[in-house]
Amino acid sequence: QLRLQESGPGLVKPSETLSLTCTVSGGSISSTTYYWGWIRQSPGKGLEWIGSLDYSGSTYYNPSLKSPVTISVDTSKNQFSLRLTSVTAADTAVYYCATTVKAWTGYPYLDYWGQGTLVTVSS
Amino acid sequence: DIQMTQSPSSLSASIGDRVTITCRASQGISNHLAWFQQKPGKAPKSLIYAASNLESGVPSKFSGSRSGTDFSLTISSLQPEDFATYYCQQYDNYPHTFGGGTKVEIK
Repeated sequence: QLRLQESGPGLVKPSETLSLTCTVSGGSISSTTYYWGWIRQSPGKGLEWIGSLDYSGSTYYNPSLKSPVTISVDTSKNQFSLRLTSVTAADTAVYYCATTVKAWTGYPYLDYWGQGTLVTVSS
Repeated sequence: DIQMTQSPSSLSASIGDRVTITCRASQGISNHLAWFQQKPGKAPKSLIYAASNLESGVPSKFSGSRSGTDFSLTISSLQPEDFATYYCQQYDNYPHTFGGGTKVEIK
């Protein structure tokens, strides 16, 4: 069974870059999954979809995020990553990585989530 | 962006009650809607996809339906483990968007 685990700094300074990695275990990221993404949840708030990446290399980002976003995958390490640059306090949130184990339908969604990691943006 | 309007934002119910949560999309999304359950301090768990398909291992007391751009999640008989916050999400268009959530509490 697939397991996803987020890792990265729990504290980031304003204007710096937030970098998180999601390590996939229990299966090969390239043969078991084809779609990867990130969602976040500010303290006490709802869920916000950040962006996703599919097997073809196409990326999809949420334009409402004020901090520029990059999502990438490293199949050799069975990992995918998130970068947010020039973060502010508004980027403080629990960040979840997610994937899907469903067959491709042309409309993928993130149904398989990691446990989440809290990132605080503060000086 | 597609707006997902979820209602109610919270509800109180008793054990055994039938509970329905609704989500309205601001435009057509076909059946590309999922429902998630989130318990405090935990990651959301997918319950239903494609509006009415139960995820593997999810009990049949959960069901989903669609009428045009209106979607519903129903819990047929509320149990203690069902008290949580529920979110809908559309995945028809990017950016994928979530509803604001419905917190189900014990009456």
